[in-house]
Amino acid sequence: QVQLQESGPGLVKPSQTLSLTCNVSGGSISNDAYYWSWIRQPAGKGLEWIGRVHASGSTKYNPSLKSRVTISGDTSKNQFSLNLRSVTAADTAVYYCARGVSGEGVPPRYYFDYWGQGALVTVSS
Amino acid sequence: DIQLTQSPSTLSASVGDRVTITCRASQSISTWLAWYQQKPGKAPNLLIYKASSLESGVPSRFSGSGSGTEFTLTVSSLQPDDFATYYCQQYENYNTFGQGTKLEIK
Repeated sequence: QVQLQESGPGLVKPSQTLSLTCNVSGGSISNDAYYWSWIRQPAGKGLEWIGRVHASGSTKYNPSLKSRVTISGDTSKNQFSLNLRSVTAADTAVYYCARGVSGEGVPPRYYFDYWGQGALVTVSS
Repeated sequence: DIQLTQSPSTLSASVGDRVTITCRASQSISTWLAWYQQKPGKAPNLLIYKASSLESGVPSRFSGSGSGTEFTLTVSSLQPDDFATYYCQQYENYNTFGQGTKLEIK
């Protein structure tokens, strides 16, 4: 059974960098069938895809966040990470990591079959 | 950007009812659409992928249909556990989600 678990600071000051890690168990992030994503959800609002990393090391980001985001994978620890720079109160949200499973087609298209429980990150001084 | 619009935003129904939620895309996404159920304080749970394929372990009372720009999620006979918020997600180009439909008890 695949399990994902987010970890990181729950409080970040404005203008600083939000950093989260997703630990994956029951499956390998080196498996090239999957795309490892970060998704966030402000309180009472909908879901926003942030970006993803693939086993190949390739990344793709939401254009609205691209200038501030870096996602990377660490195969030795079987985890992947999110860095979001220059945060403001608008970045306060529950952050989820999720596994994207690819359907057919080029470029790869993927939906999310396993999710972490979510980590609340508040941006406040 | 591909936008997804769900309707209704809120749906009141009773146990045993048949309900349908609609998701409209701003441009054609073929059948690259998934549906999720989310309960308060929990992560979303995958129900349907590729517009109409039922995820393993999901009850057969859930079904999805559609292609192009219009899609539906139907619950054939509501159970108490089904009252939750439902989201559609397109994965034709990047990934975007609908704004959600809250299914509440009448």
